Amino acid sequence: EAQVTQNPRYLITVTGKKLTVTCSQNMNHEYMSWYRQDPGLGLRQIYYSMNVEVTDKGDVPEGYKVSRKEKRNFPLILESPSPNQTSLYFCATIPQGSTDTQYFGPGTRLTVL
Amino acid sequence: EDQVTQSPEALRLQEGESSSLNCSYTVSGLRGLFWYRQDPGKGPEFLFTLYSAGEEKEKERLKATLTKKESFLHITAPKPEDSATYLCAVPGSGTYKYIFGTGTRLKVLA
Repeated sequence: EAQVTQNPRYLITVTGKKLTVTCSQNMNHEYMSWYRQDPGLGLRQIYYSMNVEVTDKGDVPEGYKVSRKEKRNFPLILESPSPNQTSLYFCATIPQGSTDTQYFGPGTRLTVL
Repeated sequence: EDQVTQSPEALRLQEGESSSLNCSYTVSGLRGLFWYRQDPGKGPEFLFTLYSAGEEKEKERLKATLTKKESFLHITAPKPEDSATYLCAVPGSGTYKYIFGTGTRLKVLA
């Protein structure tokens, strides 16, 4: 089954404790992206990757890092999380040759205390 | 600045009561407008892409239309299972940057 998976689905942590949210896809898509979703602000793009070792900033990259060492995985790294990074995070992919249909993961709800 | 605005924020309909959701956009050189459906606790699910003014696309009870300044998502004779948040998005500057609206929360009552 074609899918985008995220882990963990729920995470409660404390300020300053480094964490990684993983995203994996089995569709061989080149493009992957991370979003955060906050009430009243909608989905905002954090980082995206056009291919292995190629990443770029979205609209809200501050406080986040990403890496794309292999095509199927695109982890989101919070080196020193802060309470303002409490949010619902989504990973998304786009098939090769397309720019419209994004396939979203199930989401990761992060709470930073 | 590229911007997407959706209205209304929330909408309650009786089953069978048709209505429309609005998505207005400000972007230089539209390269597509996308509609997504998002159920509670889930990721958005792709519905439609529209590329040019006058274009229309349909899927079951949903029809999306596009003008030069806005898009409408028409819901005809909705059912309770159509209850969801509907999001629209446009590509921003750069090929793979996307700007989403804040969505319309639709509730269809039986």
